[in-house]
Order: sequence, then C-alpha cells, then structure tokens
Amino acid sequence: DAKTTQPTSMDCAEGRAANLPCNHSTISGNEYVYWYRQIHSQGPQYIIHGLKNNETNEMASLIITEDRKSSTLILPHATLRDTAVYYCIVRLIQGGSEKLVFGKGTKLTVNP
Amino acid sequence: EPEVTQTPSHQVTQMGQEVILRCVPISNHLYFYWYRQILGQKVEFLVSFYNNEISEKSEIFDDQFSVERPDGSNFTLKIRSTKLEDSAMYFCASSERQGTSPLHFGNGTRLTVT
Repeated sequence: DAKTTQPTSMDCAEGRAANLPCNHSTISGNEYVYWYRQIHSQGPQYIIHGLKNNETNEMASLIITEDRKSSTLILPHATLRDTAVYYCIVRLIQGGSEKLVFGKGTKLTVNP
Repeated sequence: EPEVTQTPSHQVTQMGQEVILRCVPISNHLYFYWYRQILGQKVEFLVSFYNNEISEKSEIFDDQFSVERPDGSNFTLKIRSTKLEDSAMYFCASSERQGTSPLHFGNGTRLTVT
C-alpha cells in the first residue's frame, strides 16, 4: 500500500508556482521519494526523486524536510499543460529495481 | 528522448479470448514492468521482469497472465482467457539499472473486453 498522504485536489493560477505537499511520516532510511504525474490517462511521467537533499531539474524542484517526514514538489511557473494527477511515491531501494506503488495522488488543476 | 512504446493503443476482444499486449522498452534498459489502471482507479503493479525471469508479481497476476521477452527488444503481456474485469489501461515500464533508476512508462494499451 502507498505510504504517503496527499491532498485530493489543488488549484493553481497559470504562471504561478504550484506547491504540492506530501506526507510520508513513516519513511525509512533506504526509501526514496519519487514524484510522477499522469496527464489524462496517459502513462505516468517521471518528474523527480530524492533521498534527503533538495533536488532540482528542468521540470520541478523537490524540497524534503530535514526529518524526511514530508516533502513538497514545486512547479515554478505552472502552465495549463501541467494539469494532471501528481503522485508522491515512497520507493524502497534494496539493490534491485523495486516497483513503484501508486496512491490516489493530487489532482492539480491549473487555471487560466 | 528515447521512450517506451506500446502497441496497439486500443484492443477490443471478446470474453474468453487470448490477447497479447506488446511493448518496446527503452533500448539500454534492463528492468521491465507491467501495470494496469482500471477506469477511475489507481495505477496497480502487475509484474516486474529482469534477466529473463519474473522478479516480483502481484496478486492480480494470476495464472491467466504471462510475460515474455521473445527477442532483444519486445516485452509482452499475455492474458490467456480474458474476463470482463480485465478491461483496463495496461502500462509497460522500463528502468535502466538497479537502485534508484526511475521507471519510464509507455502511454498504454486500452483493453476492452466485451
């Protein structure tokens, strides 16, 4: 089962930053935080992942609290195409390539 | 950017028929997965595959399901005798290597069982 808690839905104005929170209070030391999104029944799209340091790539930034019990995905300038379901996933890394377990995610709607 | 491709995009079949869903993972990837998503529900893990054998499978992946990597490029999911409840989007995914390498998903095959 998913080990994360996310709001069911959020709204954001186009051009503004979208900050999507995720709670993962039971995360363990060898579990990473991954973010994916799914745009209207397309395949899930990888966004970013991290362990304990903040991460940034061309799509987003990931801020992980020092105690690792929560994180925030930041889309710095949301566009209408960022409307999607965003999944925060805690993934155990043990040396294989472990599966992802999806929860219900957050439905982000970017409004014009 | 390389991507996972799936064919067909939509498959309609009658109950009891066999279907084969096809996937071409990203070429240098070593780990392969199938997921499914029933309309309006969560994305669910079915099976993972590495080094020509199943690494892990879920309770959903019963004897009616099988996977195969018939050649160096394709990865297939076979459902032997489809049921109405098999109607779903089926997603293939691949990842490059062990550890934190992310899974990359295809855009799915919509299977409709009538």
